[in-house]
Amino acid sequence: DTEVTQTPKHLVMGMTNKKSLKCEQHMGHRAMYWYKQKAKKPPELMFVYSYEKLSINESVPSRFSPECPNSSLLNLHLHALQPEDSALYLCASSRGGLVSLGNEQFFGPGTRLTVL
Amino acid sequence: KQEVTQIPAALSVPEGENLVLNCSFTDSAIYNLQWFRQDPGKGLTSLLLIQSSQREQTSGRLNASLDKSSGRSTLYIAASQPGDSATYLCALTQGGSEKLVFGKGTKLTVNP
Repeated sequence: DTEVTQTPKHLVMGMTNKKSLKCEQHMGHRAMYWYKQKAKKPPELMFVYSYEKLSINESVPSRFSPECPNSSLLNLHLHALQPEDSALYLCASSRGGLVSLGNEQFFGPGTRLTVL
Repeated sequence: KQEVTQIPAALSVPEGENLVLNCSFTDSAIYNLQWFRQDPGKGLTSLLLIQSSQREQTSGRLNASLDKSSGRSTLYIAASQPGDSATYLCALTQGGSEKLVFGKGTKLTVNP
């Protein structure tokens, strides 16, 4: 099973709302990622969790707050977003550990977020 | 700073044709390179992963090669089908980081 699941598939929120995106994998992977993708652009890395600890934050605004409650779950909490934050948010996972061993990343289907 | 380039940005071919997608990178010190396909509005599907010590990987009609010394990777698709129509992205890791550096992709259209 190489599946990464994401919920919800679509989300519409106002600038004053608080919402959360959820990502789950049961492959025993210990690295999990959040990416943001705008139309006709490649994904941009936001956060990396390695063994449930935040290892990379690509200078993401604090209105995005990641959380990794356990090795299978990754959340992205959203608060006071701007219309320009509208995008496809992708979650990914990989085995973790030594990168030199070649960790293949597996992506979920994404959450299409629209901020009004 | 590593830069990943994919040329062409778009490619249209008739069904049945064999084709090659190109990916070039500026820094040869990479750990691995991964090819993905993405259908419109969907997530990325991993096609092939080539580790830095490997020269090529094959899966079905797909063959990916890696030449670190020249900073190039190619994805060969044999006997293309309309279902192969998608955007193909290459991405690599380097420097001990798990961060993927992406190219901008090649949009492939296979016409029946």
